Amino acid sequence: AQSVSQHNHHVILSEAASLELGCNYSYGGTVNLFWYVQYPGQHLQLLLKYFSGDPLVKGIKGFEAEFIKSKFSFNLRKPSVQWSDTAEYFCAVNAPGTDKLIFGTGTRLQVFP
Amino acid sequence: EPEVTQTPSHQVTQMGQEVILRCVPISNHLYFYWYRQILGQKVEFLVSFYNNEISEKSEIFDDQFSVERPDGSNFTLKIRSTKLEDSAMYFCASTKDRWVKNTEAFFGQGTRLTVV
Repeated sequence: AQSVSQHNHHVILSEAASLELGCNYSYGGTVNLFWYVQYPGQHLQLLLKYFSGDPLVKGIKGFEAEFIKSKFSFNLRKPSVQWSDTAEYFCAVNAPGTDKLIFGTGTRLQVFP
Repeated sequence: EPEVTQTPSHQVTQMGQEVILRCVPISNHLYFYWYRQILGQKVEFLVSFYNNEISEKSEIFDDQFSVERPDGSNFTLKIRSTKLEDSAMYFCASTKDRWVKNTEAFFGQGTRLTVV
């Protein structure tokens, strides 16, 4: 069965620190990949997506992610976090031909000034 | 920016009662979804709906669950006889297309269902 793993459950950083959140998936075929963010009390919002092409994807708010097919990974990065990045981050996978997104367990990011 | 709206934001219901969760997807979207997140667990797919019928459903989506698009704007999830384990945050989502390149799912803010 397809699954998505996010190994960092809770990350605490100071402002200006660099961020990398891990995401690995288990699926042998082509996948579509997503990172969503959920700010406190708000809805899930798309940060970035990968369908095909350049494996380095740039999203909103200065986030980027790199798809490494050989490692089944799609890690999220930001060179310098801000206090406003405090939120929960979800990696998700869609296998073509299916309707569903399969989510990871999420990573709670806390950024302190 | 267009958004998916869900009502109510929080619903408390007694075990065994029927509950209907409501969603208004984005107006020109054609695919609709329900997901749920039990506290401390993953966001899980329940069902997708297209062209007035269920397109795909998960094992969770058993006979106690049903979905409906009663008019041109609302998309509802009904739980016939709620159980304690149905307590969760329920998210509605919609997409313009199925998962072709650059499709983006827009999610609502969720309805927190508490079964007592």
